This record gives sequence, structure tokens and C-alpha cells, in this order.
Amino acid sequence: QVQLVESGGGVVQPGRSLRLSCAASGFTFSSYGMHWVRQAPGKGLEWVAFISHDGNNKYYADSVKGRLTISRDNSKNTQYLQVNSLRAEDTAVYYCAKDFYGFWSGYYGPGDYWGQGTLVTVSS
Amino acid sequence: EIVMTQSPATLSVSPGERATLSCRASQSVSSNLAWYQQKPGQAPRLLIYGASTRATGIPARFSGSGSGTEFTLTISSLQSEDFAVYYCQQFNNWPPYTFGPGTKLEIK
Repeated sequence: QVQLVESGGGVVQPGRSLRLSCAASGFTFSSYGMHWVRQAPGKGLEWVAFISHDGNNKYYADSVKGRLTISRDNSKNTQYLQVNSLRAEDTAVYYCAKDFYGFWSGYYGPGDYWGQGTLVTVSS
Repeated sequence: EIVMTQSPATLSVSPGERATLSCRASQSVSSNLAWYQQKPGQAPRLLIYGASTRATGIPARFSGSGSGTEFTLTISSLQSEDFAVYYCQQFNNWPPYTFGPGTKLEIK
């Protein structure tokens, strides 16, 4: 079965950096795009980044552009999110999600499987 | 950027009754809309994609309709496990893949 396991969260001081990981299993990782979505405490969902199946296409929300870098290692079935210059407003649970559509469809779409999330708290 | 709105913010319904949740897009998203369910402390779960197609394993009491800018999620007969927050998300004009603010479905 599909499993996504995030790691790398924790308490970080403002201005520091953090790298989140998402380990995937149960599907052909290299055939699917992947998303990162975050959720601040008590708030709604915010899509932050997407990476295509081969890593060649990357998209970011304007709110995080320039500070976040999404990447993946298909040999390790893992995607990453590097978050730099952390701010208090980056405090959130960060979820990774598998895109519904495989690369052969030519489409990108919703996340059909999600991890349980990793909490990032930015605080001095 | 497409802005998604949802109404109502909170919906109180009794078990066994029907619930109707609305989602509106600031411009047409065709049928490229998804619905998610999220329970406290859990990750979102995909319910509906393509505005009206149920995801794998989703019970038939969940149905989606609409296209363009107006969408509806209907739960035909509420079960106790259906009380949660529901989000819509467009994946037509991106980035970003915008979510609505959510509708909290609570027990009446």
C-alpha cells in the first residue's frame, strides 16, 4: 500500500534553515509528481510546492518563492523541501502528497495519498 | 490567482440527514476540482476529483457536482465518521493549487 512518511520537522529559530524529507513506498515513485502542503495551527490547507516525476519542473506558491526549494531523489524514493530564512509564519504541519496523475497522463492534479505530516515550529 | 470560497463556514446536521457543502471559484476551473475530508489530527483524505468522481474507497454517499465556478459536495446520509472539515481545491490554473478555507461539518 502507498505510504508517505515525512521527517525533519522540529523547533527552529527564526532565520535558520530546515530540510524536510518525505520517504515514499508502495508505488512507482519515479512515475508521479509530488506536492508539499502546509497547515498552520488551527488554520486551513496551503499548497506550497510541486515537483514533476523527473524533477525537471518545479512550482512554488508566491508566498514562499525564493525561500523554499523542492527536490527529489528517485533512487531513494524520497522528496525534500528545503526551507530557508524561517519566519514565525512558516510554523505549520508540512504534508507531502502524491499527485493523482502519473506522468503518462500529461496532467498534474490533486494529492491522492498524504503522509501524516511533520511539524515545524519557528520560535526563538 | 484563483480564489476559492466555501460556504457555509460551519454546517450543523443531524446523523442520517443530508449535508450540502458549496465551493465557488473566482474564475472558471472547468471540472478540475477536488474535495478533501480532514479529521482532527489527521492528514486530508481525497474524496472527489474531477468535480464528480469518487476516489478509491470513498463510499457512495459522497457525491460531487458542478463545473466552471460553482461546485457542491453532497453527503446523502451522514454517518458519525463524516463529521470533519471539508476542503475544496482547484487544479485548473496553477500554480498555485488553491484551497478553499474549509467547511466544518458538525453534529447537530
